[in-house]
Amino acid sequence: EPEVTQTPSHQVTQMGQEVILRCVPISNHLYFYWYRQILGQKVEFLVSFYNNEISEKSEIFDDQFSVERPDGSNFTLKIRSTKLEDSAMYFCASSYYSGGGYEQYFGPGTRLTVT
Amino acid sequence: DQQVKQNSPSLSVQEGRISILNCDYTNSMFDYFLWYKKYPAEGPTFLISISSIKDKNEDGRFTVFLNKSAKHLSLHIVPSQPGDSAVYFCAASALGAGNNRKLIWGLGTSLAVNP
Repeated sequence: EPEVTQTPSHQVTQMGQEVILRCVPISNHLYFYWYRQILGQKVEFLVSFYNNEISEKSEIFDDQFSVERPDGSNFTLKIRSTKLEDSAMYFCASSYYSGGGYEQYFGPGTRLTVT
Repeated sequence: DQQVKQNSPSLSVQEGRISILNCDYTNSMFDYFLWYKKYPAEGPTFLISISSIKDKNEDGRFTVFLNKSAKHLSLHIVPSQPGDSAVYFCAASALGAGNNRKLIWGLGTSLAVNP
């Protein structure tokens, strides 16, 4: 069964460093999302991406964040200068929206630890 | 921002009995609701969904009920099995910019099914 994959599973970085989180969505999916979950808090929407552009972004998704789909298979989230409060689980999701079903399928997540 | 609420942080049931997980929402624009199951160190796994044009959707042991007037939905698991022990998240979506359907999440309910 097709699945969303994410790498790395765990990333430790120092404050101020750049990180790139990678995702490979399900191949025939068209809509892509990044969410994050800070420990003990709700899963939060970061950004949605369709047709090679951002559809919507949250207040969290400021100028330090960017997304790319560089080669038609990978979907990346870049944080240019990490802050301590960026420490969280980051989940990638993809969706096809066929036949009225709007379910999103999630990867296993990347745990980002900023020290 | 408490658009989706799961007021029970935890629930414990006996194997073979019914598990009922509840979710309330406040945004009347939500028209699609989903339940996800999550094990530690894994991403959310889609379980079942319901459109706002329906009041019930069933898939095997899992049934979701939607009461639009009360802005309430519930997930019933019958019969409950020990393997159902996980955190269950309620999520809701509305059609957004660029046809995206970002998910708004509850805090989750941790279900323990005891043998």
